[in-house]
Amino acid sequence: DTGVSQDPRHKITKRGQNVTFRCDPISEHNRLYWYRQTLGQGPEFLTYFQNEAQLEKSRLLSDRFSAERPKGSFSTLEIQRTEQGDSAMYLCAELADTQYFGPGTRLTVL
Amino acid sequence: GIQVEQSPPDLILQEGANSTLRCNFSDSVNNLQWFHQNPWGQLINLFYIPSGTKQNGRLSATTVATERYSLLYISSSQTTDSGVYFCAVVDYGQNFVFGPGTRLSVLP
Repeated sequence: DTGVSQDPRHKITKRGQNVTFRCDPISEHNRLYWYRQTLGQGPEFLTYFQNEAQLEKSRLLSDRFSAERPKGSFSTLEIQRTEQGDSAMYLCAELADTQYFGPGTRLTVL
Repeated sequence: GIQVEQSPPDLILQEGANSTLRCNFSDSVNNLQWFHQNPWGQLINLFYIPSGTKQNGRLSATTVATERYSLLYISSSQTTDSGVYFCAVVDYGQNFVFGPGTRLSVLP
């Protein structure tokens, strides 16, 4: 148990619906990263926060994706108007001395 | 951006065998980590090793930063070592770039 938690663990949705995932890190002060992982691939960087500031966003993060870390503690990742290509595992990680990953949220878009 | 390659892509071992996994990267890095992703998808950090050699039980890792590669050694493999091993480096944007992974299957 790394201490980083994610909710929900699984989400099945229909194409066009909006979904929101939550990540709760161990510490409020560490960097928080979001990744996407598709089957057979390594995690791909999406975005990261230092406290509440979103410092970097990947080009993978289209305008349908938005992430927040409102009080520098937990973070949310929202996907609007989901598409089948959004189906993936969404991973959250906290950077302390090393990266500690949460268990991920597996999204299936039907 | 920085490119990360891993070899071999797949590896099948008999329990008790030793193995070496390799990670090559295309540019200088100041952070390199090895991760194990278990069959349930959980990623666990194995080593933070931007340079030098570290050992933890049956696992050890060596990074030769000047030659842009890192090696992960697994000795006396066990079935619980099965899963995917990822190498990840930090690029200039302070973002972690993961390699494609090596899928290890250890047979009883």
